[in-house]
Formats: sequence, C-alpha cells, structure tokens
Amino acid sequence: DTAVSQTPKYLVTQMGNDKSIKCEQNLGHDTMYWYKQDSKKFLKIMFSYNNKELIINETVPNRFSPKSPDKAHLNLHINSLELGDSAVYFCASSQDTGGDTQYFGPGTRLTVL
Amino acid sequence: TQLLEQSPQFLSIQEGENLTVYCNSSSVFSSLQWYRQEPGEGPVLLVTVVTGGEVKKLKRLTFQFGDARKDSSLHITAAQPGDTGLYLCAGAPGNQFYFGTGTSLTVIP
Repeated sequence: DTAVSQTPKYLVTQMGNDKSIKCEQNLGHDTMYWYKQDSKKFLKIMFSYNNKELIINETVPNRFSPKSPDKAHLNLHINSLELGDSAVYFCASSQDTGGDTQYFGPGTRLTVL
Repeated sequence: TQLLEQSPQFLSIQEGENLTVYCNSSSVFSSLQWYRQEPGEGPVLLVTVVTGGEVKKLKRLTFQFGDARKDSSLHITAAQPGDTGLYLCAGAPGNQFYFGTGTSLTVIP
C-alpha cells in the first residue's frame, strides 16, 4: 500500500497551459508539502500545509497554488506554465512540522515545451 | 549560499573504497536528518541525529552530529554499487524544513 502517491508520474505540456498535480497520503499525517527539484537535484520547499495553515516559500511565484480538499490530499495547481517550471515535483507528508521525518511520493516530472 | 551546504557535490569511487560526505551550516539545528534518493524516486530517510556529538551506525554507514549541532557527516565503509544515489542532509532550524545541496554518489563495480 503506497504511503504517499502522486499523479501523474510524467506531465508534458505547452507553455501557457494550466495543469494540476494530485497528491494523497494514507499515513494519517497532519502536514503535507510540495517540493521542486531542479536539474541540479536541489530540493526546494514550495509549500507546507498543516491543519489549514499554509506556509508559503516567498520565492514561489503566485502562479503556483496548493489546494487541500481534506487532510489526506494536497494538490498543486499551476497557471500559465513557463519553460522554467520544468522540474520534478515531489509531494511529502510528516506527522507534524519542524524536524519530523518526511515521507515522499515518487515525484512528477513536468516538462514544459 | 544555501542554509545547508554539502560536500563534495559529486563523488565517484570504486567498490570497496571508503568515503565521507559533509553537511555544514552556520545555523544550529535541534536535529539533522540524512536521506538517500535513488533515480526516479523520492528521498527516503536513513537516520536522524539529535544530540551534539552523537554517532549513529547503520550497517556500513556511520553518521555523526557535530558538537555545536551545526554540521554532520556521513561515512560509508567498503562502498557497494547499491550505495549509489543522492545523499541529502536536512533539518529545520525553526518551523521550516531545509534540504542540503546534495551529494551524488556513484559506486563503480
């Protein structure tokens, strides 16, 4: 049984399009995250969401918006996709914020043409 | 400059060799974690170090937390091809979690 799942695994789209990536965790965790991993493998946090409190990394463009229908889901919506958005996006969850162990999904490889 | 700097960035060694990866910061952490990421997958936790000066062993992997809790190291003895992957240190000096810059290890059979 997959703990943290993401769909789709691969996403290829044209510049200017709007797309969403879905994430679900069945660990009963209170906190979920979205990370972006660039071509140099640097993993940068984009958002964390805990009990309806959203913490945004200030460097994330407002074209990116997380949407959480319930505690087990945190989807990522991206408007007006740009070439520089191409990366691997990881969803993760942890029991709480701070230094708790994070459990990662398999990643979504986004390619913007 | 990133909050957690790792060195080296890339490491390619022969099977059976030993290696050390370093994770350094100017910030103090209550704990530091080490993750390993294999190609096409998300990072997976290896260990958490909590106490300054702490040493933890996981089979051939030895993790150390610096006395001042600003740095950590990962030593691998007799590396095997299965150790190949991206090694990431991580921690939260406050409420926000940060990952290190990463060390990409390749062990050649």
